[in-house]
Amino acid sequence: SQTIHQWPATLVQPVGSPLSLECTVEGTSNPNLYWYRQAAGRGLQLLFYSVGIGQISSEVPQNLSASRPQDRQFILSSKKLLLSDSGFYLCAWRGSFLEKLFFGSGTQLSVL
Amino acid sequence: GENVEQHPSTLSVQEGDSAVIKCTYSDSASNYFPWYKQELGKRPQLIIDIRSNVGEKKDQRIAVTLNKTAKHFSLHITETQPEDSAVYFCAASRLRGGYNKLIFGAGTRLAVHP
Repeated sequence: SQTIHQWPATLVQPVGSPLSLECTVEGTSNPNLYWYRQAAGRGLQLLFYSVGIGQISSEVPQNLSASRPQDRQFILSSKKLLLSDSGFYLCAWRGSFLEKLFFGSGTQLSVL
Repeated sequence: GENVEQHPSTLSVQEGDSAVIKCTYSDSASNYFPWYKQELGKRPQLIIDIRSNVGEKKDQRIAVTLNKTAKHFSLHITETQPEDSAVYFCAASRLRGGYNKLIFGAGTRLAVHP
């Protein structure tokens, strides 16, 4: 069966520091991978999605970037965090038939 | 661009009552509509989904209806229980190659009171 791993679960970072969140999927190949952000008490904002290695689509201009160095690995990064980058970051994957979307357990990021 | 609107933003019901959450979508090419339940601090979990070739789908106390003409779809929860309390998100997507985005509504916070 397929599983998705996301880490760390919580992260507290100072303003201006770098960020790296990692997500990996097991039990499937060539998944579609996504990064969503959820501000406190708000909805799910799509940040990036990827249909394959090295293929990244960005949904909103921001202080973040994404990379997909391997088929089942998706990384969210920032060179310098802003206060507004705080939120709950969720990685997700969909199979080749593009139906059900499954989320990782999320990373609660607090930028102070 | 694509947009999904969800109403109400908050919903409070008594245990045993029914709850209805409604969504509208803007992309007429959307053909897949899932619903997610998110408990506090947890990941969203898929609870039910429907394709555009089906008008209604039911799973125990949960049902989803779709009106393609009006671009509306709704989640119905019957005989609500306190454990149904959570935030519910609707979403819309196209199922075809080259288009991979799932667009979410803003969420509905459902409170079921004993």
